[in-house]
Amino acid sequence: NAGVTQTPKFQVLKTGQSMTLQCAQDMNHEYMSWYRQDPGMGLRLIHYSVGAGITDQGEVPNGYNVSRSTTEDFPLRLLSAAPSQTSVYFCASSYLWAGSEAFFGQGTRLTVV
Amino acid sequence: DAKTTQPNSMESNEEEPVHLPCNHSTISGTDYIHWYRQLPSQGPEYVIHGLTSNVNNRMASLAIAEDRKSSTLILHRATLRDAAVYYCILRDVGGSSNTGKLIFGQGTTLQVKP
Repeated sequence: NAGVTQTPKFQVLKTGQSMTLQCAQDMNHEYMSWYRQDPGMGLRLIHYSVGAGITDQGEVPNGYNVSRSTTEDFPLRLLSAAPSQTSVYFCASSYLWAGSEAFFGQGTRLTVV
Repeated sequence: DAKTTQPNSMESNEEEPVHLPCNHSTISGTDYIHWYRQLPSQGPEYVIHGLTSNVNNRMASLAIAEDRKSSTLILHRATLRDAAVYYCILRDVGGSSNTGKLIFGQGTTLQVKP
């Protein structure tokens, strides 16, 4: 049982490049989500999903795309990276029940130069 | 989404109890109260949650006011390892507007002095 796995752990991109941050969970959780955390700030919700084929926007969705083709995976795509997207990105998953605890990955530290 | 209000920071001495308050005056009847914490350079981790009754687990206790408009996370004996940002979050699932989103506020930064 690996929990929530994020790859890569670190990434440096040039402005305008695209990339996909990977998130996988092996707990059969319906709910998955992506957050970004800027230095000294709290976590902000980017996108979330309540099941395969269902995604929705969070608080700060601009510049990011997601899809959920399987229960296990929830990749986050940066279409054209900008320096403002320099941040630490966290993926989380849980059962779709209000009393379910969420499990977080260890984060991806992204720098856009 | 119902909002929570927490103090920006609190201090505690090691080995003493810590009471971290959270106000959620607009809580709905189906909102669960969740607490997470984030240690430096780590992802958030679950601490405890409750609906109406007080809850205890190996990490902490959660005291919920009778009207549910506030709650308190209790660390019974703070250690240096408890220094973290603590987040109080309301979560609901069900209906078109309650999609189970976990929305983080700024949280309370807890400093523990040796």
